[in-house]
Amino acid sequence: SQQGEEDPQALSIQEGENATMNCSYKTSINNLQWYRQNSGRGLVHLILIRSNEREKHSGRLRVTLDTSKKSSSLLITASRAADTASYFCATIRMDSSYKLIFGSGTRLLVRP
Amino acid sequence: EAQVTQNPRYLITVTGKKLTVTCSQNMNHEYMSWYRQDPGLGLRQIYYSMNVEVTDKGDVPEGYKVSRKEKRNFPLILESPSPNQTSLYFCASRGGLAGLHEQYFGPGTRLTVT
Repeated sequence: SQQGEEDPQALSIQEGENATMNCSYKTSINNLQWYRQNSGRGLVHLILIRSNEREKHSGRLRVTLDTSKKSSSLLITASRAADTASYFCATIRMDSSYKLIFGSGTRLLVRP
Repeated sequence: EAQVTQNPRYLITVTGKKLTVTCSQNMNHEYMSWYRQDPGLGLRQIYYSMNVEVTDKGDVPEGYKVSRKEKRNFPLILESPSPNQTSLYFCASRGGLAGLHEQYFGPGTRLTVT
């Protein structure tokens, strides 16, 4: 079963607008990561937020983490057409596998 | 440049014909894994390896084999491919176990089994 579930599944916005994607997870975590995937290509790491952090910024990206609600959000400000991609949250399963478990992803379309 | 490479990028084959997808990383990473990505099912881990000669099954290992004879290479072997193994495959690596490091992905191998 997947650890993270993103919401919404798909999002369409105009260039220049902000995009917000949410992720919920089920078990305790050490950290949460966000990845981007352009169509049919490999995933690219965007940002990692630790469980003792509440907010983190990287360029136009802002990630928040609420461990009490087991949720995270990714905000992309001033979106560009090049931001069109799928976005995934991921958490580490803290057992012997140390598996990185991905959510189902949010497909973002930024219209020029 | 730090990277994970996979070959081939595209492969069309027939049922039962053994194939190998190679994966190599140049970052001296200990942890490597294989995923398959299917519409509606997301990314599912096939096998993983924590170090040389240490491999273990992921969520969907049936029909696949792996080996880790060298730290940099982690090939995925399909001994007798079937149409339900048609998918997009990704190799990945990362430097640590506990998830404090980002995971690097290869560009993907699109496999079609007819």
